[in-house]
Amino acid sequence: DAKTTQPTSMDCAEGRAANLPCNHSTISGNEYVYWYRQIHSQGPQYIIHGLKNNETNEMASLIITEDRKSSTLILPHATLRDTAVYYCIVRVGRNYGQNFVFGPGTRLSVLP
Amino acid sequence: ETGVTQTPRHLVMGMTNKKSLKCEQHLGHNAMYWYKQSAKKPLELMFVYSLEERVENNSVPSRFSPECPNSSHLFLHLHTLQPEDSALYLCASSQEGAGGRTQYFGPGTRLTVL
Repeated sequence: DAKTTQPTSMDCAEGRAANLPCNHSTISGNEYVYWYRQIHSQGPQYIIHGLKNNETNEMASLIITEDRKSSTLILPHATLRDTAVYYCIVRVGRNYGQNFVFGPGTRLSVLP
Repeated sequence: ETGVTQTPRHLVMGMTNKKSLKCEQHLGHNAMYWYKQSAKKPLELMFVYSLEERVENNSVPSRFSPECPNSSHLFLHLHTLQPEDSALYLCASSQEGAGGRTQYFGPGTRLTVL
């Protein structure tokens, strides 16, 4: 699976959009981009995933560049409860044997 | 997310004890996973079960023994653990198929080995 690079930490003001970048320059054509977050000492929570097109759900939007070498997770109106570590993962969707590799992620702090 | 439950949520055990962690998924998935998360470290995949068959074992010491009696339940049997095995143990499940294999995680069991 392709490796990802994320900033170690970011701050965001409450009520503003949080834009979390991820670089995955070695991604291959059949690898999906996944985003999870983990609030302190809890299990990771699935946020969103995509292959090529931009995706949106009730939690966030995922913008994937046309060359697929990077993506951005957008939390449109960050709240204090969005403070967490955010993980960007790329993996092949087809083979269950190829699993999620969690890097260190980005620690997002939403400030009042 | 309440689709994956884990019990107990907290466990303290001595090095000579035998205990088991339990995971149950209510999502109708057919693959289940055990992960370990030590303090300030990324998640490490331990075991993968698909259709109740173990398909991956990431060089985990034999003092950890998984069991998957059916597609909804997964156990991790623990014996003669070491203090360095203290960690958050996470269970996850997913459904095989195209379109990606989103894994859904349980809340974890916080294990302390004395």
